[in-house]
Amino acid sequence: GAGVSQSPSNKVTEKGKDVELRCDPISGHTALYWYRQRLGQGLEFLIYFQGNSAPDKSGLPSDRFSAERTGESVSTLTIQRTQQEDSAVYLCASSPLPRGTQYFGPGTRLLVL
Amino acid sequence: ELKVEQNPLFLSMQEGKNYTIYCNYSTTSDRLYWYRQDPGKSLESLFVLLSNGAVKQEGRLMASLDTKARLSTLHITAAVHDLSATYFCAVDRLEYGNKLVFGAGTILRVKS
Repeated sequence: GAGVSQSPSNKVTEKGKDVELRCDPISGHTALYWYRQRLGQGLEFLIYFQGNSAPDKSGLPSDRFSAERTGESVSTLTIQRTQQEDSAVYLCASSPLPRGTQYFGPGTRLLVL
Repeated sequence: ELKVEQNPLFLSMQEGKNYTIYCNYSTTSDRLYWYRQDPGKSLESLFVLLSNGAVKQEGRLMASLDTKARLSTLHITAAVHDLSATYFCAVDRLEYGNKLVFGAGTILRVKS
């Protein structure tokens, strides 16, 4: 079946602009995660959604970052007033169970000029 | 704070050779994961290790877990070029929520 998909695959934006990144999880997966991967580094957790529970936002680096998820489907990660340090690959993952094995999407490569 | 360290960060090896990647973590964890990432691609799950002494093997890769030492190893046997990728270990622990905490990754290059 289809895996996790993300769009856009690449995004170049100017400093100060807002960007919206989209994630389509695997159908039926109740858990959804967002991570950030800076160049040459491991992944940093950003936010976690599980069903209708309140999301775990403990990894969001600033109030410029926000995310939403509609039920158990699509999620969007929004970065407002982008800064150059926001340049990274943003990866989405989904899991059939809370704390189950996470299946990753291909990522969105964000470059802030 | 839960931290994960991998070493080496870069490994260049000849085909046919054996080598080991090490993953240390700072506090007790519930599960340990190994992922593979090809350039420009996403992460592929390789192994999930749940308990002390766990060993899993897939092809030329074997992962083990020593929870007392807080150490996991990923052993590569008779490397082939197709194994060239970046390998990440990650851990989770219920007290830290549902996130995975990742190491920085090991870039493996297998030379023909």
